[in-house]
Order: sequence, then structure tokens, then C-alpha cells
Amino acid sequence: GAVVSQHPSRVICKSGTSVKIECRSLDFQATTMFWYRQFPKKSLMLMATSNEGSKATYEQGVEKDKFLINHASLTLSTLTVTSAHPEDSSFYICSAGGVGEIDYGYTFGSGTRLTVV
Amino acid sequence: AQKVTQAQTEISVVEKEDVTLDCVYETRDTTYYLFWYKQPPSGELVFLIRRNSFDEQNEISGRYSWNFQKSTSSFNFTITASQVVDSAVYFCALSEMNRDDKIIFGKGTRLHILP
Repeated sequence: GAVVSQHPSRVICKSGTSVKIECRSLDFQATTMFWYRQFPKKSLMLMATSNEGSKATYEQGVEKDKFLINHASLTLSTLTVTSAHPEDSSFYICSAGGVGEIDYGYTFGSGTRLTVV
Repeated sequence: AQKVTQAQTEISVVEKEDVTLDCVYETRDTTYYLFWYKQPPSGELVFLIRRNSFDEQNEISGRYSWNFQKSTSSFNFTITASQVVDSAVYFCALSEMNRDDKIIFGKGTRLHILP
């Protein structure tokens, strides 16, 4: 089945630095990637949708200059949290689209827990 | 607009009891998918089930069962003979087939199974 690999699983960074999270589709081509954010004890909120080779579409209220998404290839999408601040601490999880019926809904990464200190 | 409501924020039951997690959804589309996921403390999402809007058959998988009723826009999840390992957050989710595959989640129900 379709597998999505997300790295790193956990990262701690200093306030003001940038952090890059990678999401790779291992055995299929992901034409679309979705990035979600989850605050502690909250639901997963869709941040943005990226299509390979084009600009990401951000959900209302998500700062595109803060959360840079790059989907340069059909197997890799990255989310960069720029100039991170403690309020950006959260659990980020990606999901790949473009899969067939069988794998649809399975294709979530394992998540990245970001802590900004 | 699509919306998923999980009215139960937190549930605690004693081990071996049955428990039902409620999910009500809203969508203007006639074709859609519904999902349930389990999220243990480690954070990863564990896929439990996907159901498309054309298939209202209820499903049973071991101790898990799902009741899909389009008439009430509900997709409830029952765990029979609950076990401590079932303790987790459970999310119901919806994806409109006419959209671009994005999955929208409910707020989740935190389930505590007490020994």
C-alpha cells in the first residue's frame, strides 16, 4: 500500500530559527500533499494543500509567509516553519493525495512534533 | 461546507464495557467518504475504516463496528468489550469526492478505558 514517510518525528528549535519538515511518498507519486496542524488535545486542522509544481493553497488564517510549502517533485513536499516562535509549537502531519481507491485515507505521515523554545 | 461533529469530548468506561462514539457530518455533496481514525499518545493516525456515501452497509471488524445512516447523517463507531489498549483519541472525518481529496476532521473523542 501507499506509504508516506515524514521526517523528523520530533524537533526542538530555538525561537527565531527555521525548521523544515519533509514528507515523502515512498512507493507512489503524490500529486497533492496536505499539511495539517494539531495543537495539544485538539483536532487536526488543514493548513494548506500543495500540488506538484505549483503554489500551495492555504486555508484561511494560515500565514503563507510563515509556513512555506514546497512540492517540487511528485515524491517530496516540505513545510518550512520560518522564524519559529513558541506559539508555533505543535504537531504537524502530512497526507498525500493522488492515490487510488484502495489507499485513500491511509496516506498520512507519522507526524512531526515541533517544540520551539 | 463540510463539517464533522463529535459531540463527545471525552468518555470513560470500565474495561469490557461496550462504548459508542458518535459522529454527525454535514456536506452538500452527494458523494463523499467517511473515515474513523485512532490516535494513540504517540501521535500517529491509525486508519480504522473508510466508507463511501454509496455504501450504507454497517461493518463489523472484530470488536469494532460502524453504523452509517445517511438519513441522520451519522457514522457512529462502537467498540465491544473494550480493552485498555483502546484508550486513545478517535477522530471521525469526511472527504467530499468532488473536492480535491482533502480530509476534514471532527474534534475527536478522547476515550479512556479504565482497568
